[in-house]
Amino acid sequence: DVKVTQSSRYLVKRTGEKVFLECVQDMDHENMFWYRQDPGLGLRLIYFSYDVKMKEKGDIPEGYSVSREKKERFSLILESASTNQTSMYLCATSRGYYEQYFGPGTRLTVT
Amino acid sequence: GENVEQHPSTLSVQEGDSAVIKCTYSDSASNYFPWYKQELGKGPQLIIDIRSNVGEKKDQRIAVTLNKTAKHFSLHITETQPEDSAVYFCAASRVQAGTALIFGKGTTLSVSS
Repeated sequence: DVKVTQSSRYLVKRTGEKVFLECVQDMDHENMFWYRQDPGLGLRLIYFSYDVKMKEKGDIPEGYSVSREKKERFSLILESASTNQTSMYLCATSRGYYEQYFGPGTRLTVT
Repeated sequence: GENVEQHPSTLSVQEGDSAVIKCTYSDSASNYFPWYKQELGKGPQLIIDIRSNVGEKKDQRIAVTLNKTAKHFSLHITETQPEDSAVYFCAASRVQAGTALIFGKGTTLSVSS
């Protein structure tokens, strides 16, 4: 079975803090994705990566950056957290263009 | 860019009834249409998908239909059960390098017994 793990299920941070969300997969998938999920807005793509050290902006990249130094790990970075970044963050992976496997999510609260 | 509209946003049915969720997409070059189910406290999971070379696909109680001319596709769940209660997302994409899935806003399905 594909396993996608996210570093925390719940996280509380203060405005202005630098926040790291980590995602690790164990299936050697080349593609990795970061989404945020908000009520009534569905899943919105922040960034994705098709290879190590490669990144592509999604629909809402502002305020975020990513890092992919190793194939199995994809990190989402909030350089200076703001209250409007309070959300559920979901990581996903895929081999090729089809099925994506999601992690359980990190619920981030910025106060 | 691609836009995916999903309706309804909430759907309540009685156990045993059928449920239908509809999506429309804007990019005529889209050729892959998956459906994901998200249970409480979990990440979304693929339940069925369809590619543009077929008009319908069925897997036990769930089926998906695609109308490329009208640019819409639908999820049909028959004989609903309480465990079908979840949030369902449709998505669309072109199958090519550099592209990603565009998701609809989701439908919360409640099945009451």
